[in-house]
Amino acid sequence: KNQVEQSPQSLIILEGKNCTLQCNYTVSPFSNLRWYKQDTGRGPVSLTIMTFSENTKSNGRYTATLDADTKQSSLHITASQLSDSASYICVVSQNTGGFKTIFGAGTRLFVKA
Amino acid sequence: NAGVTQTPKFRILKIGQSMTLQCTQDMNHNYMYWYRQDPGMGLKLIYYSVGAGITDKGEVPNGYNVSRSTTEDFPLRLELAAPSQTSVYFCASSYSKGRTTNYGYTFGSGTRLTVV
Repeated sequence: KNQVEQSPQSLIILEGKNCTLQCNYTVSPFSNLRWYKQDTGRGPVSLTIMTFSENTKSNGRYTATLDADTKQSSLHITASQLSDSASYICVVSQNTGGFKTIFGAGTRLFVKA
Repeated sequence: NAGVTQTPKFRILKIGQSMTLQCTQDMNHNYMYWYRQDPGMGLKLIYYSVGAGITDKGEVPNGYNVSRSTTEDFPLRLELAAPSQTSVYFCASSYSKGRTTNYGYTFGSGTRLTVV
């Protein structure tokens, strides 16, 4: 069964600290993996997208990694800010078109001052 | 360039009522989608469309209908609202070239629907 599992479910960190969110998937055949940030009451916004041949992608303080062999991805947030408080969603697409996409349940990150 | 616009933002329905959630995009994307997001769960695909005049069922289509008469608009219809349809609904669009290339989703801000 095609699944995307994220851990932890929620995380609390102090402002200025780093953190890493995990995503494991069993989606096959693999097309790409994306990380989205979803602020409370808003739609998800894309942070990074990686294809099979890419193992790291950065977007400012966000760095995503992909290990296609072990089917794992991580999102590392450096020097966290209060505005980083949000849900982070891992999304994996199959190699059959744009509608074959599986969403993880997300990791809820709380950054405290 | 507004992206994906959804209306309304909030709605309360009584059981058995019907309503249409509106979605429009101005990016000339060919693909459009409707998702629902239940608390603590990942987004589930309700319906999608690969172009004007073409729609297909997603993972959880029961109780919903869609139409795609233009590239820009993709309304979602609930005919007989049930408490199980209480959720947050997101419309999204993307540009896809063929069946294997997708350039990522743009999401609307969501519609919070409560059925009582």
